[in-house]
Amino acid sequence: GQQLNQSPQSMFIQEGEDVSMNCTSSSIFNTWLWYKQEPGEGPVLLIALYKAGELTSNGRLTAQFGITRKDSFLNISASIPSDVGIYFCAGPNYGGSQGNLIFGKGTKLSVKP
Amino acid sequence: SAVISQKPSRDICQRGTSLTIQCQVDSQVTMMFWYRQQPGQSLTLIATANQGSEATYESGFVIDKFPISRPNLTFSTLTVSNMSPEDSSIYLCSVQRQVVTEAFFGQGTRLTVV
Repeated sequence: GQQLNQSPQSMFIQEGEDVSMNCTSSSIFNTWLWYKQEPGEGPVLLIALYKAGELTSNGRLTAQFGITRKDSFLNISASIPSDVGIYFCAGPNYGGSQGNLIFGKGTKLSVKP
Repeated sequence: SAVISQKPSRDICQRGTSLTIQCQVDSQVTMMFWYRQQPGQSLTLIATANQGSEATYESGFVIDKFPISRPNLTFSTLTVSNMSPEDSSIYLCSVQRQVVTEAFFGQGTRLTVV
């Protein structure tokens, strides 16, 4: 079935550093989504991408929809302690019948003040 | 977007008992889903909650273990039945306006079975 490979699994960075993570798919997507999950909370949608090559920003976050339509990248500039959490990429579950999303395994971000 | 209220937010339960989790949405939505997130893992779909009919379950999940109700377009419940420690997870309610579009989540229910 469809799979999303997300990397890196975890990152330990210093406050102020930039962060980059990516997600690749075994099949072509028409939508890429990025979520952040903080401890004790559900995932929160950060950025949605709908078009190959699209570059979208949300504050210090920037995400890109790869031109091959099989990958996406999320960058965080000038990280701060509140960026801590798990970041998930997600895409449509074309291999299923329920219209849901599938999720990558997540990138756990730790920021040292 | 949608505002989703899920309760309880956490519970500690004895093995062999059942827990019902409620999900309330602030507006009518077409699609409601229940996901499980095991410790340190990603999200796995349990089932689609269908309004007025039986839920549609993913492979590996069965109605006897995870009965789901959806009496209307704003409310659903998930029951985790005859619990064992392996059921200790976060359970998440999710909604989508349409097929394979953005999903919005409740805050989750952190279940510990002892």
